[in-house]
Amino acid sequence: AQSVTQLDSQVPVFEEAPVELRCNYSSSVSVYLFWYVQYPNQGLQLLLKYLSGSTLVESINGFEAEFNKSQTSFHLRKPSVHISDTAEYFCAVRGDSSASKIIFGSGTRLSIRP
Amino acid sequence: DAGVTQSPTHLIKTRGQHVTLRCSPISGHKSVSWYQQVLGQGPQFIFQYYEKEERGRGNFPDRFSARQFPNYSSELNVNALLLGDSALYLCASSFAGSGNTEAFFGQGTRLTVV
Repeated sequence: AQSVTQLDSQVPVFEEAPVELRCNYSSSVSVYLFWYVQYPNQGLQLLLKYLSGSTLVESINGFEAEFNKSQTSFHLRKPSVHISDTAEYFCAVRGDSSASKIIFGSGTRLSIRP
Repeated sequence: DAGVTQSPTHLIKTRGQHVTLRCSPISGHKSVSWYQQVLGQGPQFIFQYYEKEERGRGNFPDRFSARQFPNYSSELNVNALLLGDSALYLCASSFAGSGNTEAFFGQGTRLTVV
């Protein structure tokens, strides 16, 4: 079985400040890791994913996450946030099988202060 | 190409009633999954269908059922609605059901049970 823990339910930061959203997972099998973003009253959008290869993955809007197998973590970072980054962020894992559900964390609400 | 479309976007039902939610996957996608997102929590897996067969079921009561049609669209049915069924119901489609294939989410159906 897999599980995901997002250590912070809310993260307030000032605009243009750096941010880190923490995510730890547990699994007895190989997993794929994802970060999804949910803007108010909308569905989920994939932000970035780790499937294999380089442990550092990047999104088109400046976010990055690093897969750390020894620490079972997949923290999300951005060096300088914008007001438009205000949203709920979900870390998720998916097992490596032919029929695999996505396990989500409880989410981190990122609020940006001007 | 159209993304994942869900209908209706919102609905209000009374306790004890039945509801049917619909999902059309992205063209060419053969896997559809359903998730329930209660306010303030991460999405919880309900069902996965691939090639019209149920491939996975989450920890939900038998009041929840689903099916996938030959055109790969899907319905989620909930009988004997309870207040606790109030949530955002998300549909996700992917080309296959395996963990390394990206899942695309619809905007969701917000169900309110009164």
